[in-house]
Amino acid sequence: GDSVTQMEGPVTLSEEAFLTINCTYTATGYPSLFWYVQYPGEGLQLLLKATKADDKGSNKGFEATYRKETTSFHLEKGSVQVSDSAVYFCALSYTGGFKTIFGAGTRLFVKA
Amino acid sequence: NAGVTQTPKFRILKIGQSMTLQCTQDMNHNYMYWYRQDPGMGLKLIYYSVGAGITDKGEVPNGYNVSRSTTEDFPLRLELAAPSQTSVYFCASSYNQDRGAEQYFGPGTRLTVT
Repeated sequence: GDSVTQMEGPVTLSEEAFLTINCTYTATGYPSLFWYVQYPGEGLQLLLKATKADDKGSNKGFEATYRKETTSFHLEKGSVQVSDSAVYFCALSYTGGFKTIFGAGTRLFVKA
Repeated sequence: NAGVTQTPKFRILKIGQSMTLQCTQDMNHNYMYWYRQDPGMGLKLIYYSVGAGITDKGEVPNGYNVSRSTTEDFPLRLELAAPSQTSVYFCASSYNQDRGAEQYFGPGTRLTVT
């Protein structure tokens, strides 16, 4: 079946450090891939997405590229800020499907 | 727009009690979802709805019920609460299920069953 695996956290970085959060997936078809972010006390919100292989999603300085050959969708940011502290979820879904599969989430702490 | 709103924010139930978690969206979305989020786990789909009057089970429906009498509201009912239902519950909605469709989430309800 389909699944999403993320690197375990927490990840602790200093402000302005480079961020990578790894995400790999197993899919029976050709899904869309997403990164959602959950700030403390809030619900999830979409950070970025990619709908086909080699697409790059980007938003707020974050980027991720849909790599079909390595079944990966790693999240990167060149210089993190304290305000980026949150839990990040990688997810996949199919057109017309009602099931979005989420990874377990990776908690990021950024120190000033 | 308020987006997706949920009430209550927190609730403590005793084993065997019942309650309804409320969810309302003001974006005129046809699709609505209920998830639970357990510590260290991803979100699991409990129930979903494709429009008023139409609901279906997700991955983990046991112990829950839903109804969808209007486009805006999608309440989740817990009957006979059990400790295993201690979790954070999120309601979400989406405009459609097209490729790359985004889901919009409410702030969540933290439920403890003791």
